[in-house]
Amino acid sequence: EVQLVESGGGLVQPGGSLTISCVPSGFSVTTNYISWVRQAPGKGLEWVSVIYSGGSTYFADSVKGRFTISRHDSQNMVELHMSGLRVEDTAVYYCVTGVGVTMSYWGQGTVVAVSS
Amino acid sequence: SSELTQDPAVSVALGQTVKITCQGDSLRSYYASWYQQKPGQAPVLVIFGKDNRPSGIPDRISGSASGDTASLTIAGAQAEDEADYYCNSRDTSGNYWVFGGGTKLTVL
Repeated sequence: EVQLVESGGGLVQPGGSLTISCVPSGFSVTTNYISWVRQAPGKGLEWVSVIYSGGSTYFADSVKGRFTISRHDSQNMVELHMSGLRVEDTAVYYCVTGVGVTMSYWGQGTVVAVSS
Repeated sequence: SSELTQDPAVSVALGQTVKITCQGDSLRSYYASWYQQKPGQAPVLVIFGKDNRPSGIPDRISGSASGDTASLTIAGAQAEDEADYYCNSRDTSGNYWVFGGGTKLTVL
């Protein structure tokens, strides 16, 4: 059974940094893409970033240059490193995987709050 | 990049049929996927590909596509179908994903 568990969320001041993690079970991070999708309070879903099985990475324009994504194959883990955080980055961050276009499996999310 | 447009809110009488639409240029190249999200919960995939349902999704939920528009149809809507529904697909570059703004479905 595929499961994804996020961790590392918390409260951070504007301009600060935070790293959140995704640990999947039921598959290897070297065989499936891992994507991050966020949802601000009361708002819709927003795609944030992806790391493909081949290692390619992509970011939404809203986070480009501030967020990076990395993979730790031996730990079967993906991390999203967030810096220069803004109030508008406050959201639930979901770790997601699937096949092709389809986002088949979602974690339960980790909350990132950016506030002074 | 590209955008996907959804109506913000739709309502349906209990037991009736409702269609939720999603429009965008990228849908001419990629099928949409549809996700159901209930308050306080993570989204759940309900439709993918041409008209495919993951295991456990009732067959009263179906999908279709034509041109730049994808549709999610719920036949015989039940109270438990009340939720937010989001469409997504790849953007026109094929590297990113884009989401529609979501449709809040109310079952009356």
